[in-house]
Amino acid sequence: GESVGLHLPTLSVQEGDNSIINCAYSNSASDYFIWYKQESGKGPQFIIDIRSNMDKRQGQRVTVLLNKTVKHLSLQIAATQPGDSAVYFCAERVGGTSYGKLTFGQGTILTVHP
Amino acid sequence: DTAVSQTPKYLVTQMGNDKSIKCEQNLGHDTMYWYKQDSKKFLKIMFSYNNKELIINETVPNRFSPKSPDKAHLNLHINSLELGDSAVYFCASSQGTGGGISQPQHFGDGTRLSIL
Repeated sequence: GESVGLHLPTLSVQEGDNSIINCAYSNSASDYFIWYKQESGKGPQFIIDIRSNMDKRQGQRVTVLLNKTVKHLSLQIAATQPGDSAVYFCAERVGGTSYGKLTFGQGTILTVHP
Repeated sequence: DTAVSQTPKYLVTQMGNDKSIKCEQNLGHDTMYWYKQDSKKFLKIMFSYNNKELIINETVPNRFSPKSPDKAHLNLHINSLELGDSAVYFCASSQGTGGGISQPQHFGDGTRLSIL
């Protein structure tokens, strides 16, 4: 399968469970954070974003939590479905003159078992 | 109605050749990007253009040359291809580059470049 040899963090859940994917970011000057989902053979797909002046943001079945004190970001997926199986990336943008440059985390492989 | 489209989807070529990848976005965005994703799925930015002007140029070999004929297009030309250039190359676009607005980047589906 696609995950062979990748050595990314993995998370396996049963369909219907809630999933939590974690991300540690590196730069305390980062002001904007995004979660992306990447399915096999596809490009990263935007899921949800959050600005640094917030600590929580909710979307449809997804919630992003931001803890600036420890530079930690998490993505919670409620009632996980097999279609949620993918690689999930967090990305950060440094404020100021970064010109929109995103720095991506290493990715987490989420596998949802029916 | 594809938002960010790249061509070709697959590119297999010999070492030493020169090749180009094209990208077009129909989102009306003014900023476009090229990323490289290696075999370990690590995504790294290479270049960014805002309104046809180069604004991000990471440490990339000068064999890689981006070109933006207009703000809806950003092409990537690669000279003298090497084995280490094998990767998936993604184009992305966003509205603006930062400031007080949340501006997620939207990605194409990638060009899988394999060097023989």
